[in-house]
Formats: sequence, C-alpha cells, structure tokens
Amino acid sequence: AQSVTQLGSHVSVSEGALVLLRCNYSSSVPPYLFWYVQYPNQGLQLLLKYTSAATLVKGINGFEAEFKKSETSFHLTKPSAHMSDAAEYFCAVSPGANSKLTFGKGITLSVRP
Amino acid sequence: NAGVTQTPKFQVLKTGQSMTLQCAQDMNHEYMSWYRQDPGMGLRLIHYSVGAGITDQGEVPNGYNVSRSTTEDFPLRLLSAAPSQTSVYFCASSTPGNTEAFFGQGTRLTVV
Repeated sequence: AQSVTQLGSHVSVSEGALVLLRCNYSSSVPPYLFWYVQYPNQGLQLLLKYTSAATLVKGINGFEAEFKKSETSFHLTKPSAHMSDAAEYFCAVSPGANSKLTFGKGITLSVRP
Repeated sequence: NAGVTQTPKFQVLKTGQSMTLQCAQDMNHEYMSWYRQDPGMGLRLIHYSVGAGITDQGEVPNGYNVSRSTTEDFPLRLLSAAPSQTSVYFCASSTPGNTEAFFGQGTRLTVV
C-alpha cells in the first residue's frame, strides 16, 4: 500500500522568493516518486521524477526535489519563483515502474508580484 | 504528435443516463489508466490496463466499466450516471519501464 501527504492546500510566495512544496510518502516497497504540475483547465505535466538513481532530482522550469528515505520525504523546491509558476502541484508515488500512481491532494501555488 | 486525446471535453448528463468517455493514444503505450479529480482530493485511480484485453480496478471503480480491445483506445463507461460522478476525468498512458505517465486534457463531467 502507498500514500502521499501534501500538507496544506495553498502556498503563496512573492516573485523571486524560494518555493518549497512539501511531500511525504508511505510505501511498502521502494517507491518511485513524481511531481506533476497542472495549469488551469489543463492536464498534468511531469515536472520531475525519482526512480532510485540520484537522490537530488532536477526537473523542468528550474524545479528540483530531494529524496530523503529517512524522512520519507520528496519536497519540491525552486530558488526563485516566477509568475508563470502559479499552478497546482501534485506529488505522486508508484510501486515501481508500473505507473499506477497514487496522488496527494495537491497544493495551489500563488505568486505575488 | 497528438499524444493522449480525450473526448468530449465537456459533458452534462442527467441522473441515470449512460455515456462513454473516450481516450485514445498514438504512442503505442501498453499501460493506460483513468483517474478522476475532485477538489481537495487529488487524482484517484478508477481503472487500469496493462495491455489489450487486460484491465484491473483502481481505488474508486464503482459505477464505472472499462474494456481494452486495442492498444490505442481505453473507453470509460458510466452505465447509470449519479451526481457523485460529477468530476474531471483524466486518461493517462505509459510504457513498462518508462515511469512517466502522459495525461490527456481531461473531460469535465457534470451529472444533474
């Protein structure tokens, strides 16, 4: 069994500020972990993924995430927020490469000018 | 390069009506899945297929049927729509060993 916890439903940052979106997971097997982004009225786009290689994963649009097994975490960061980063972000876990994803509830990121 | 195509984009149904949400992918992906997205609940897996002729239930399968007669298509059927099925539905596809799932643009369904 697996689950994902994304605490809070909304994060607001100023343009240029650090973005930190938290994700904790539970998995009975070594997990594959993902961050997806969803812009309004769009489908989901993969930001980055962890598949048991390097623990620090770099993705698109300047985002990165670090897999910490001891903390069962996979937090998403970006050093400097841009207005175009405003969207909903989902953390997801799957038991291996079978792509049966379990999603967190999502976090809406707002970026203030 | 179409990717994953879902039709229709919007649909309003009356309680008790039936309909089929279409999903087609042109990437020759073996795996296909259906999710529903509800506010504050993220996406939840409805049904899943690892290849033509093979389907499996996900977390919330009740009220939905699927079949997979071809690699390309994975339709989702609502036999008797209920207001609780008002949601945004996403279809996704992927290949074994490639962990990235590709999502369609979604179908927004309202049941009144």
